Amino acid sequence: SQTIHQWPATLVQPVGSPLSLECTVEGTSNPNLYWYRQAAGRGLQLLFYSVGIGQISSEVPQNLSASRPQDRQFILSSKKLLLSDSGFYLCAWTRPPGNTIYFGEGSWLTVV
Amino acid sequence: DQQVKQNSPSLSVQEGRISILNCDYTNSMFDYFLWYKKYPAEGPTFLISISSIKDKNEDGRFTVFLNKSAKHLSLHIVPSQPGDSAVYFCAANTGGFKTIFGAGTRLFVKA
Repeated sequence: SQTIHQWPATLVQPVGSPLSLECTVEGTSNPNLYWYRQAAGRGLQLLFYSVGIGQISSEVPQNLSASRPQDRQFILSSKKLLLSDSGFYLCAWTRPPGNTIYFGEGSWLTVV
Repeated sequence: DQQVKQNSPSLSVQEGRISILNCDYTNSMFDYFLWYKKYPAEGPTFLISISSIKDKNEDGRFTVFLNKSAKHLSLHIVPSQPGDSAVYFCAANTGGFKTIFGAGTRLFVKA
């Protein structure tokens, strides 16, 4: 069966510090990978998606970037965090031609 | 531009009664619709889905209805249980790609 893991689960970072969130998917190959963010009291906003190694598309202009160095690994990064980057970050995957998206456990980021 | 809208931020229902959560969409290219349940500080979990070629899909206590002409879907939970209390997200995609989510509806089921 397929599983998805992301880490760290919780982190508190000062403004201006870097960020790296990692996500891996097991039990499948060539997945589409996604990063979503849920800001406090809001819905799920799609940040990045990837259909293959090295292929990244950004949905919103922001202080964040994503990379996919391996088929089942997706990384969310920032060089300098802003207060507005605080939120709940979710990694997710789909396996074409499947239509259902599956989520990781989430990572709480608080920028102070 | 919100392509998927959940206009009710919260809903309160008595245990044993029906919960009806509503969702509207604007993009006629969507061909697959999903509902997710989310608890605080956890990732959303998939509940039920429906293809645009159907108008109803049922799974146990959960039924999703799709009205394509109105660009509207709804999730019915019968009977509602206290454990159903969570945030419910409506979502849609085209060919499984770039799933777009609504803002969510918080359901409270009172014992």
